[in-house]
Amino acid sequence: EAGVTQSPTHLIKTRGQQATLRCSPISGHTSVYWYQQALGLGLQFLLWYDEGEERNRGNFPPRFSGRQFPNYSSELNVNALELEDSALYLCASSFTGTESGELFFGEGSRLTVL
Amino acid sequence: AQTVTQSQPEMSVQEAETVTLSCTYDTSESDYYLFWYKQPPSRQMILVIRQEAYKQQNATENRFSVNFQKAAKSFSLKISDSQLGDAAMYFCAYRSYNYGQNFVFGPGTRLSVLP
Repeated sequence: EAGVTQSPTHLIKTRGQQATLRCSPISGHTSVYWYQQALGLGLQFLLWYDEGEERNRGNFPPRFSGRQFPNYSSELNVNALELEDSALYLCASSFTGTESGELFFGEGSRLTVL
Repeated sequence: AQTVTQSQPEMSVQEAETVTLSCTYDTSESDYYLFWYKQPPSRQMILVIRQEAYKQQNATENRFSVNFQKAAKSFSLKISDSQLGDAAMYFCAYRSYNYGQNFVFGPGTRLSVLP
């Protein structure tokens, strides 16, 4: 069974540009979470999507946005890139219900803003 | 809101020895999950062990075990017979049973294993 897949693995952008990151959850998972992890630091919650709807949002500016498609894959968009947006962006998926409870993570997308 | 605290930013252990990583959390809920995740230098986060709050028995997975103290809101991870491959960032995490609540992660503990 395929795990959570993220693309691209690496992305280099310049200040002011836009970045789009993609995530495909494990088959059967309807929830997708996005986290930002700056180098050597912990996970900062960005967004949570479930059944196509945004369910919760972390303390990030509106230029961080995303969506979830009918097949439950998800896209994270970062507009007007700033240097401090350089980080590893992790996507995770889970069942909506409480049967499992755990998050399954992808390998992440490394965004570098120059 | 729930919070998760890991008071040890860095720890080290000698190969084959035992190490305990600390985690405390704050919640007013009675039903929840707790997790320990491992993030090796290759960066993919993987689940180490999970505990449901209603279970009194501490979870165990091979060399990994937890000491879950619900009243004290403590959830420590013990790694026995440490191996070089155990070197990683370890994150403690909390998840409510209630729909609409996020996972809450602690700041992490970087574990080094010395040969």
